[in-house]
Amino acid sequence: DQQVKQNSPSLSVQEGRISILNCDYTNSMFDYFLWYKKYPAEGPTFLISISSIKDKNEDGRFTVFLNKSAKHLSLHIVPSQPGDSAVYFCAASGDFGNEKLTFGTGTRLTIIP
Amino acid sequence: DAMVIQNPRYQVTQFGKPVTLSCSQTLNHNVMYWYQQKSSQAPKLLFHYYDKDFNNEADTPDNFQSRRPNTSFCFLDIRSPGLGDAAMYLCATSGASGGYNEQFFGPGTRLTVL
Repeated sequence: DQQVKQNSPSLSVQEGRISILNCDYTNSMFDYFLWYKKYPAEGPTFLISISSIKDKNEDGRFTVFLNKSAKHLSLHIVPSQPGDSAVYFCAASGDFGNEKLTFGTGTRLTIIP
Repeated sequence: DAMVIQNPRYQVTQFGKPVTLSCSQTLNHNVMYWYQQKSSQAPKLLFHYYDKDFNNEADTPDNFQSRRPNTSFCFLDIRSPGLGDAAMYLCATSGASGGYNEQFFGPGTRLTVL
């Protein structure tokens, strides 16, 4: 039972354009959502997060949107740069005392120069 | 720089031969996690320590054990590796300073079972 789903295994975007990565979840107890970025031969690195009390969080070129009613979140990267090419994992956790992360399967983003 | 270190980065073992993977951290985080990640799959939590309290996931095989002798170090022991245990093993930490939801990952150890 996959509680966090990333239905697009891969995505290619032209440099300078917007990249939109999507994530769906099924567990309504999830309270906190994160995006991690992973380069080959490295561990995942934290990118941006959002609490369920918000619907948007922005950090530089990265914005995460949360639609609780649809149980959907998305990561927008604009403008996309070649260094953004990586695998992006969506993750979700519960509230205090239940911070274990449940990950999606990842989306491989390729930025085309 | 504060970080999570995993050794070795690549480990080759034989079928049935015990192997130990190591993780250390300089973040002084009180929670440490071990994940297994197979190709094109999501990282799967095996177990975690909250301070010295060990928390095993229900579906983690008995073949996998862990030790945390102190705050900085955590070990993953695979008692009798099978071919299906070949994977990337990721160690992560979290703590009050970073918010418990945000986990910091090491670079991983890729385990090959011959």
